[in-house]
Amino acid sequence: AQSVSQHNHHVILSEAASLELGCNYSYGGTVNLFWYVQYPGQHLQLLLKYFSGDPLVKGIKGFEAEFIKSKFSFNLRKPSVQWSDTAEYFCAVNSYNTDKLIFGTGTRLQVFP
Amino acid sequence: DAGVIQSPRHEVTEMGQEVTLRCKPISGHNSLFWYRQTMMRGLELLIYFNNNVPIDDSGMPEDRFSAKMPNASFSTLKIQPSEPRDSAVYFCASTEQQGMSNQPQHFGDGTRLSIL
Repeated sequence: AQSVSQHNHHVILSEAASLELGCNYSYGGTVNLFWYVQYPGQHLQLLLKYFSGDPLVKGIKGFEAEFIKSKFSFNLRKPSVQWSDTAEYFCAVNSYNTDKLIFGTGTRLQVFP
Repeated sequence: DAGVIQSPRHEVTEMGQEVTLRCKPISGHNSLFWYRQTMMRGLELLIYFNNNVPIDDSGMPEDRFSAKMPNASFSTLKIQPSEPRDSAVYFCASTEQQGMSNQPQHFGDGTRLSIL
C-alpha cells in the first residue's frame, strides 16, 4: 500500500531562515506528487505539484520542491521564510491511474519575527 | 469563482444525534472527496465519488457513517448515531476530469464537528 512519511512534525524557524521539509513516499510505479499548505483556521491550498518533466518544480510564494526518484523523495524548500509562512504543510501522493490522494501526517511550521 | 462550499462551518451536538454535513463541489468537477482531520490521525480519506458514483469507501470508519451524492452539485456525509470520537474537522474536496490524477484537489473550508 502507498504511504507518505513526513519526518519533521514541528519546525520552528526565525524569519529569513531557510526551510526544507522532508517527504518520502512508498510506491514503485509512476506517481504524482503534491504539497498543500493549511494556514491556521483555513482549508488546504495547493502549493505545487509534480507529475512529469523537470524534477525541480516551483510553486506559489517562493516555494519549490525537488523530486528525486531514486530516493522516493519530494522535499519542500524555501530559501527565506516569512512570518506569514506559519502553517501546516502536507505532502501527498497518488499513483498515475487513481484519483485517491494519500497524505502525510503534516509538518507544523512556526516562523518567529 | 465559487470554490467548494461546505455547511455548516461548525456543528456542536450531543452524542447519539444524527449529523449531516453538506458539500457543493466546484461546478464542472467530476470527482468529490470527503476527508476527516484530527490531531491524532491527521488527514484521512473517508470516501470519494466519480460522476456521483462512490468509488472507494474503504476509509469510512464504520456503519454509522454514510455518504451520498444524488447529483453532480451536492453531497452529504451523515453520521448516525454520533459519538464523541467523531469530533474532527471534515473537509470536502473536488477535482476535475476523473482519472486525470495530476489535477489538484480543491478543498472547502471544512466543518468543525464537536460531539459532546
